[in-house]
Amino acid sequence: ILNVEQSPQSLHVQEGDSTNFTCSFPSSNFYALHWYRWETAKSPEALFVMTLNGDEKKKGRISATLNTKEGYSYLYIKGSQPEDSATYLCASAQYGNKLVFGAGTILRVKS
Amino acid sequence: ETGVTQTPRHLVMGMTNKKSLKCEQHLGHNAMYWYKQSAKKPLELMFVYSLEERVENNSVPSRFSPECPNSSHLFLHLHTLQPEDSALYLCASSQEGRIYNEQFFGPGTRLTVL
Repeated sequence: ILNVEQSPQSLHVQEGDSTNFTCSFPSSNFYALHWYRWETAKSPEALFVMTLNGDEKKKGRISATLNTKEGYSYLYIKGSQPEDSATYLCASAQYGNKLVFGAGTILRVKS
Repeated sequence: ETGVTQTPRHLVMGMTNKKSLKCEQHLGHNAMYWYKQSAKKPLELMFVYSLEERVENNSVPSRFSPECPNSSHLFLHLHTLQPEDSALYLCASSQEGRIYNEQFFGPGTRLTVL
């Protein structure tokens, strides 16, 4: 069974702080890594899909890196804003298998 | 607006009831998914349909019965559910059922089984 772990479970930061969180996944037979943002009472929204070791992707103040050899991905948020408050989900898949989600990191940004 | 709608948004049903959840996507995708999120647990894949054919059934009990009449619509038929089936049920779609394609989610149906 593919286990996807996310840390920390929750995070409280002040507006303007930069923050990062981790997604860990089995490195064997890696195929794809997804990041989603899920705001309360809304639908999960895709941020990034990454497949290549060393890949880095950026969308505005949010960026992500991928290390498939050691089985982790980092999500960074620069200059956090209250509207960044959400649960951030990662999901990983191995060849031939389904996408498996982590439990998420809950981010709260105080103004 | 994500382009994926789900109805109803909330549903309360007894264990002997039969109900259906509906999902519709307006994105021209050809793969659709049902996920379940129980309290304090990760999202868990239930079913995958690609080109209207079921390609994944993640060991889901038969009291959950999916139906995909066309590439835009997905249903989850529910019968004789148990209280532990109370959860948030999310629908998603993607362009092809490939796991390197991002998925677009609906807002979910919050189901309570009494």
